[in-house]
Amino acid sequence: GNSVTQMEGPVTLSEEAFLTINCTYTATGYPSLFWYVQYPGEGLQLLLKATKADDKGSNKGFEATYRKETTSFHLEKGSVQVSDSAVYFCALISGQNFVFGPGTRLSVLP
Amino acid sequence: EAQVTQNPRYLITVTGKKLTVTCSQNMNHEYMSWYRQDPGLGLRQIYYSMNVEVTDKGDVPEGYKVSRKEKRNFPLILESPSPNQTSLYFCASSTRLAGGRDTQYFGPGTRLTVL
Repeated sequence: GNSVTQMEGPVTLSEEAFLTINCTYTATGYPSLFWYVQYPGEGLQLLLKATKADDKGSNKGFEATYRKETTSFHLEKGSVQVSDSAVYFCALISGQNFVFGPGTRLSVLP
Repeated sequence: EAQVTQNPRYLITVTGKKLTVTCSQNMNHEYMSWYRQDPGLGLRQIYYSMNVEVTDKGDVPEGYKVSRKEKRNFPLILESPSPNQTSLYFCASSTRLAGGRDTQYFGPGTRLTVL
């Protein structure tokens, strides 16, 4: 079946540090891949997405590249801010079924 | 304002007492879905609906029912809630472009406690 695996959290970084959150997936067919962000007390918001191999999604300084050969979609940001503190979810859709990873909590300290 | 709304936002109930969580979207989206979020498990899909009168099971449908009589509404029904259904529930909707894939918009969540 389809599944998404993310690195265990929590991740704690200092402001302006480089961020990587690993995500790998297993899916039948050709999934679209997503990163969602959840701020405290809120629902999920789409951060970025990629719909085919080698696509790069980007938004608010975050980037992720769809790597079919390694079945990965790692999230990166060059310089994190305190306001980036949140839970990040990697997700895929294959067919009509969305599958989410367990989430990675990021805390950015000033 | 484009949005997905859920009600109630918080609910405490007792085992076996039927309840309904409503979900409504104003974006004319075809696809709607319910998820539950539990610590360490992320979001798991309960049911989804591709359009009016079309629903299908997600990964964890046991103990839940849904209906889609109107395009904008997608209520989640717990006929006989049990404590293991204590969770944070999210409704989501999206358009359905060719290929069936698009961005999902999430509601604010409903925190349910079953005693």
